[in-house]
Parts: sequence; structure tokens; C-alpha cells
Amino acid sequence: EPEVTQTPSHQVTQMGQEVILHCVPISNHLYFYWYRQILGQKVEFLVSFYNNEISEKSEIFDDQFSVERPDGSNFTLKIRSTKLEDSAMYFCASSEAARTYTGELFFGEGSRLTVL
Amino acid sequence: DAKTTQPNSMESNEEEPVHLPCNHSTISGTDYIHWYRQLPSQGPEYVIHGLTSNVNNRMASLAIAEDRKSSTLILHRATLRDAAVYYCILEDSNYQLIWGAGTKLIIKP
Repeated sequence: EPEVTQTPSHQVTQMGQEVILHCVPISNHLYFYWYRQILGQKVEFLVSFYNNEISEKSEIFDDQFSVERPDGSNFTLKIRSTKLEDSAMYFCASSEAARTYTGELFFGEGSRLTVL
Repeated sequence: DAKTTQPNSMESNEEEPVHLPCNHSTISGTDYIHWYRQLPSQGPEYVIHGLTSNVNNRMASLAIAEDRKSSTLILHRATLRDAAVYYCILEDSNYQLIWGAGTKLIIKP
């Protein structure tokens, strides 16, 4: 069964360092998302991406964050200068359909980011 | 934004049906109701979604109240593998999923 894959599974970094989290969405999907979940808290939407541009982003997704689809398969989340509060599990998701009510989101297993 | 309210946790016995309630009294007419679950140490997994009519799929059933202010996710025969956090989710005005705290479902053997 096709799946969303994320790397690394765990990244430890120093505050102020840049981090790139990688995702390979399901191959025929066109819509890509990043969510995060701080330990013990809710899943929070960060950004959605379609046709090589951001379609929606939340208040969390400030100038420190960026997303990119550098080739036909990868979808990356970059955090330019990490802060302690960026420590969280980051989930990538993809979907066939534009609107979540017309199709399900498929999530990866997440990348745990620890900022020291 | 519409919000959902769910019990923090529920327990059920293995092999028995489970009814997971969700209140969404501020739902608007076009908001779909989604359910996802998150097994321990895994990413969220789609369960089911609906708008007005009850829905069934291979994983579960979704019963939606006539006024749409509440819904119930029904697992017909819970197994130990169904132990997870179950999220009842509505979309916001930008068509994004707004997650609540979810219900931790504990299955007793």
C-alpha cells in the first residue's frame, strides 16, 4: 500500500541552527501538507501546498518556516533558525483531492525535532 | 472557527462495540465532520468523514445527529489494535482541519 515517508525520524539540533525535514508524498497525490504536534498537545496545521506554491498557511508558519518541492518526489519543510519551542513531532501528509472533505489525508509517521 | 468537544478518555472491552461521542454545536452548514485516529508513536490515520447522512466504511460507522450538533463514531467490534487517540475534526473557513484534543480509547482484553 502506498505510504508517505518522512526522514529523519528524529533530529536533534542546537537552537539557532537550520533544519530541513524531508517527506516523500504518495506518488499520484497533488496536495501536500505539514502539521506539527508538540508533545502531549493537539495536532496543528502549518501549511498546505499545491502546484508549487503555498495554498494556505497558519499563524504558526511564520518567516522562519519555508516549504519546497525541489523535485518530482520530495516535499521539504525548512526551519531557518530553530527555537526551543519548535521542538515537536512534524507530520507530512498528502492527498489526491484539493479539499479535505472530498478526500482523506495520508500522514507519514513523523519526524521528531528536538531543539536544545 | 468551529470546535469540537470529546471526552478525554474512554474504556471498552475487546470484541464489543464502542461509541465515541463528539459535540460540535457551532458547526456551520457546510462543515464536514472528519474522524482520524492516532495509534501510539504513529502518524494520524483517516477513519471516516461525513456531512449529514450516516456513513459506513470498513473501519467504522459515523452517526450524525439530525441537527448536526453532535456525531458518534462507532467501532462495531473493538480489538486491541483499535487502542488509539480518536480525533473528531471540523474544517475551518479555509478548508483546513482544526484538531481537538481527542479521546484516548483504551481497550481491555
